[in-house]
Amino acid sequence: EPEVTQTPSHQVTQMGQEVILRCVPISNHLYFYWYRQILGQKVEFLVSFYNNEISEKSEIFDDQFSVERPDGSNFTLKIRSTKLEDSAMYFCASTGQGKYGYTFGSGTRLTVV
Amino acid sequence: SQQGEEDPQALSIQEGENATMNCSYKTSINNLQWYRQNSGRGLVHLILIRSNEREKHSGRLRVTLDTSKKSSSLLITASRAADTASYFCATDERTDKLIFGTGTRLQVFP
Repeated sequence: EPEVTQTPSHQVTQMGQEVILRCVPISNHLYFYWYRQILGQKVEFLVSFYNNEISEKSEIFDDQFSVERPDGSNFTLKIRSTKLEDSAMYFCASTGQGKYGYTFGSGTRLTVV
Repeated sequence: SQQGEEDPQALSIQEGENATMNCSYKTSINNLQWYRQNSGRGLVHLILIRSNEREKHSGRLRVTLDTSKKSSSLLITASRAADTASYFCATDERTDKLIFGTGTRLQVFP
């Protein structure tokens, strides 16, 4: 069964450093997303991406965040200058034309120290 | 309550018993989805029910949707220890994003 692959599975970074979280969505999917889950809390929407541009973003997705699909397969989330409160599990997801269910990756656990 | 609130927050049952989880939401939706999350792991899509559907089955899962009450239920029949996980409902709020509930932590004892 096709999977959404995320790397790395765990990233530890110093506060103020830049991090790039990587995702390989399912190849024939058209819509791509990033969500995050702070430990013990709800899964929160960050951003959606379609046709090489952001289609929607949440209040969390401020100027420190950016997304890119550089080569038609990878989908990345960059946090420019990490803060302690950015520590969370970050999930990438993708879905096809009918948006009939989303496939989520296994997540990247980001720890900012 | 907020969009996508599940109850109960936690549920403990014996193997073989049925588990019922409920979800309430506030706004109009195109569809409602249920996801499962094993501790510290990713989200697994279980089932999607569209706003014009009332009931859907998938294996041991049965989902109902009542749009007049803005609520949904997930029934897992003949539960197994491997069903132990957190279960989340997610609604689309007629936008391009999913709004997740707080989840129900299900513990199935062998």
